[in-house]
Amino acid sequence: DTGVSQDPRHKITKRGQNVTFRCDPISEHNRLYWYRQTLGQGPEFLTYFQNEAQLEKSRLLSDRFSAERPKGSFSTLEIQRTEQGDSAMYLCASSRLAPIYNEQFFGPGTRLTVL
Amino acid sequence: KQEVTQIPAALSVPEGENLVLNCSFTDSAIYNLQWFRQDPGKGLTSLLLIQSSQREQTSGRLNASLDKSSGRSTLYIAASQPGDSATYLCAVKPGGTSYGKLTFGQGTILTVHP
Repeated sequence: DTGVSQDPRHKITKRGQNVTFRCDPISEHNRLYWYRQTLGQGPEFLTYFQNEAQLEKSRLLSDRFSAERPKGSFSTLEIQRTEQGDSAMYLCASSRLAPIYNEQFFGPGTRLTVL
Repeated sequence: KQEVTQIPAALSVPEGENLVLNCSFTDSAIYNLQWFRQDPGKGLTSLLLIQSSQREQTSGRLNASLDKSSGRSTLYIAASQPGDSATYLCAVKPGGTSYGKLTFGQGTILTVHP
């Protein structure tokens, strides 16, 4: 069990550019979540996958944001035409499907800075 | 809409003190509550998870309690150490289903000085 991994750990981009982040969940975890955390705040939910199906999206996920989880394994989060307000830490989490053992485990995050 | 509040926002204590962090939530219909630790610039480390049917969970020097009816949880840290310095976050999962997003508080920044 290597834990949840995210790549890259840091990304600096210019306003208007597209960026893509990757998350690899714990191997036996069916559920995968994306959250965004701005400075001094708790994480806010963005979207959730069960296997390859995207089951819930937050209103925070504007049409510039898209997430995928092909084949129910890793997930990608893409932001198109980045804005300075997109600067944040993007966190991925995964959990088991079983009702009792559904503790969410988080990755190290991707820190995005939009100049 | 579920809202989670953590008090205090920041806490500074000398090493060795026992301390309590508070978390309150507005909707008592929760599935579970998790406490996390976050070091600066890092991801979240899960500390304790309490199911809605449980009253408390313990792990080492940490003890978390849950009073669902009053919408409160506390995290008790015994014999604090400088290595405990971090931001502590509580998060609740809505009731009715085992999946679902976590709603987080803003966190308590803990500093334990030698």
